[in-house]
This record gives sequence, C-alpha cells and structure tokens, in this order.
Amino acid sequence: NAGVTQTPKFQVLKTGQSMTLQCAQDMNHEYMSWYRQDPGMGLRLIHYSVGAGITDQGEVPNGYNVSRSTTEDFPLRLLSAAPSQTSVYFCASSLDSGGAQYFGPGTRLLVL
Amino acid sequence: GNSVTQMEGPVTLSEEAFLTINCTYTATGYPSLFWYVQYPGEGLQLLLKATKADDKGSNKGFEATYRKETTSFHLEKGSVQVSDSAVYFCALSDLSNAGKSTFGDGTTLTVKP
Repeated sequence: NAGVTQTPKFQVLKTGQSMTLQCAQDMNHEYMSWYRQDPGMGLRLIHYSVGAGITDQGEVPNGYNVSRSTTEDFPLRLLSAAPSQTSVYFCASSLDSGGAQYFGPGTRLLVL
Repeated sequence: GNSVTQMEGPVTLSEEAFLTINCTYTATGYPSLFWYVQYPGEGLQLLLKATKADDKGSNKGFEATYRKETTSFHLEKGSVQVSDSAVYFCALSDLSNAGKSTFGDGTTLTVKP
C-alpha cells in the first residue's frame, strides 16, 4: 500500500492564483482530513470528510474548498491564494471515527 | 469541547538521558489517546496509542500510560538517541470526532551526542 499520497510536494503561487492540492489514500478509509501546520500554531483543521459525498468545515476553512467524489481522493482547492495561506498542508485519513490518523508527506506552499 | 495541552518545548537532552514529555487532555467522552512523531520534512507518524484507561502504549522504547484520574498521557523513554530528535504531538480522538483528532502544539526534542 502507498498509504496517503500528496501532490505536489512544493508549490509557489502568486497572490490571487488558484490551485488544487491533491490527496489520495489506498487504505479504503472513510474518514479524511486536511490540516495546515504553521510555526508555533500546531495543526489546524481546514476541512474533513466522513465519506464520499460528505464534507464539513474545520476550524480554519475560509479560502479553501473541498470535495469527496470517491473514497480514495480528497482534493483541497485554494480559490484565490493569499500570503496568509503560506503553510505546510497535510492530508490524513483514518479507518474509524476514534482511530489513529495516517498522514501524507505534506505539501509546502509559498504564496508571494 | 476536546483539548490537549502539551509540555512546552523545546527540549534538549544528551544521548542516553531519560525523556518525559507531559500531556494532559480535556474530553467530554471516552477518547483514545495517541502520540505522533514528526521528523524534519516529513508528515506525522503514529508512535503509540492507548484506547482505554490504564492501557499502556509502547513502541520503539517509548511508553505512555492512559491515566483517566489525572487526564494525562505522558510520553517517556528511558534512554534517548540522536535519532529520536523530532517533534512529538499528543492527540486524542473519540467516536464523536468524525474521524478528526485534537492535537497538542507539539514538543521539539533535540538529542545531542
């Protein structure tokens, strides 16, 4: 199993550009989440999904959209990039509601 | 709501020293507790877990015991190595969390030879 994969590994955007961060998992996990990690602020939840077709907002959803058309994929879209979205983004999945999370390697995003 | 409070870092130890990283939690239900480790440039990896009170999770020489009476899950290792240098996150999750976890802010550990 590849586990949780994320692409790209690194991206530079200009303010106002849009892009999609890809996330896929091959473990048949129902639950998937997106986090951002910033220095001194730990991990903050952006959006999450409890299954295909079902998504909900986390604590910092503004400026981001998600969709979950299949169990495997959970892309994160930045609608109009801002410098405040410079961060490291992690996708994670879990088998059950109270279980451990499996993380991807992260996408490092720089918005100029 | 749920919350996790971790010992503030950074922590610097000499090789073979004893490690303790404190973690306390607040939860409305009966959560499972986790420690994750993040090496430089990588994502978080599950280090160990405990699913009920008095359970001890262990892996790679690290241990943590689920203490319901003190709402704690402190991470310990008897003899750290340089390769243990990383950021450690305490986290909890329960059935009401819809697959999400609540994380502490992380503790950076540096082990010097």
